[in-house]
Amino acid sequence: QLQLQESGPGLVKPSETLSLTCTVSGGSITSSNIYWAWIRQAPGKGLEWIGSIYYDGSAYYNPSLKSRVTISVDTSKGQFSLKLSSVTAADAAVYYCARHSGGTYQVFDCWGQGTLITVSS
Amino acid sequence: QTVVTQEPSFSVSPGGTVTLTCGLSSGSVSTSYYPSWYQQTPSQAPRTLIYSTNTRSSGVPDRFSGSILGNKAALTITGAQADDESDYYCMLYMGSGISVFGGGTKLTVL
Repeated sequence: QLQLQESGPGLVKPSETLSLTCTVSGGSITSSNIYWAWIRQAPGKGLEWIGSIYYDGSAYYNPSLKSRVTISVDTSKGQFSLKLSSVTAADAAVYYCARHSGGTYQVFDCWGQGTLITVSS
Repeated sequence: QTVVTQEPSFSVSPGGTVTLTCGLSSGSVSTSYYPSWYQQTPSQAPRTLIYSTNTRSSGVPDRFSGSILGNKAALTITGAQADDESDYYCMLYMGSGISVFGGGTKLTVL
């Protein structure tokens, strides 16, 4: 059974960089046509796709966040990571990692439980 | 920038049928956008219901169905139950690696 687990500091200071890691277990991070995604949800708001990465490192980002986002993958550890720079209060949210099945599916079909990020000095 | 539109709220009576829609601020939704649907209850991670327009995810009851209705993607719940009261999000794949969620529909069962 595939499982995803987010980890990282729950509190980030304004203007600093948010860093989160997602550990994939029960499945291979190098599966064909499978991407690995970050999605966030601000309090009381909807879901926002941040970006997705393939095991070879090719990544796609939400154009509205692209200038501040870097997603990377470590296949040896079965992990992928998110860095979001220059955070503000608007970046406070629950951050989810998810499996993104690509090709003719294009669906986020397995989700982590989410981790709450607070932005405060 | 293209916006994915959903009804902000909807209500349905227990046992009734409701259809939620997912549109585009400009243009029509087709199967080429690979519409998917997600259900979310408070403080929980989303649950995947439908993908590729009309394929149910594993374990999803067949009273949930997806389709294209006119120029929108649609999620129909037949025989609504109390525990269907949730937020529902659609997602469209825009191509070139870009995915966009709709703003969500809050469904009330009463």
